[in-house]
Amino acid sequence: ETGVTQSPTHLIKTRGQQVTLRCSSQSGHNTVSWYQQALGQGPQFIFQYYREEENGRGNFPPRFSGLQFPNYSSELNVNALELDDSALYLCASSSLPWGGETQYFGPGTRLLVL
Amino acid sequence: DAKTTQPNSMESNEEEPVHLPCNHSTISGTDYIHWYRQLPSQGPEYVIHGLTSNVNNRMASLAIAEDRKSSTLILHRATLRDAAVYYCILRDVDTGGFKTIFGAGTRLFVKA
Repeated sequence: ETGVTQSPTHLIKTRGQQVTLRCSSQSGHNTVSWYQQALGQGPQFIFQYYREEENGRGNFPPRFSGLQFPNYSSELNVNALELDDSALYLCASSSLPWGGETQYFGPGTRLLVL
Repeated sequence: DAKTTQPNSMESNEEEPVHLPCNHSTISGTDYIHWYRQLPSQGPEYVIHGLTSNVNNRMASLAIAEDRKSSTLILHRATLRDAAVYYCILRDVDTGGFKTIFGAGTRLFVKA
C-alpha cells in the first residue's frame, strides 16, 4: 500500500552544486518527512512538512530546504553541496503529523557528491 | 533529544522466536515507539508501534516496559525473509516541532 515514489533513483553532483530531489506521496497524505541515510547508518530526520508548512526540523543547516505542493508532491533542495552530503535520501508520507501515525517510505534517491 | 540504543546485530534460527531489544531511557511521556525494518536497497518498512501498552499485529508483537524506558520487538517465528536491519524509533512533537529519532538499528541474521 506504500505508493510513495522518488526521483531520480541515482544522482551524481559536484561539490558546491545545488540539487533537487523529488517525492510523490501516497494520495491523501498531507504530511511528508525527509531523511538522510549515510552508508551503514540509520536514517537521520531532516524535516517534516504538513499542508505545505515546515512543522519540524532535525539538526541540518539551512542549506537543506524543502517544498510541499497541494498535489501530494514535495521537494528536497540542497545548496552548496559538500562531500558529506553523499547519502541515500528518503521521503516518507503519512496522513497526519502525529507521533502515532504510520509513515510510508519511498525507495530513496542515492546522491553521490564528488 | 531522546535517543534509542540497540545491539548492532543478532542472530536467530529459522522458525524460532526473536526478541529485539531497544533502550530509550530518555523517552518523553508523549513519544510514540515505532519499529521499522529495512532490506538492502529499499526504504524502511513499518512493523509496529505503540505508546504505553503492548501491541500485537500480524507481523510482530511489541512489549513496552512499564516505565517505558525500553521495549522489545518480538518476531514469533523468524523466517529467512525477516533478515533485515530493524530500527527502533521515537516520534513526537516537542517545543521545536515534530521530531523523529532513529536508532542505529539491529541487523538480524536468520539461519536456515
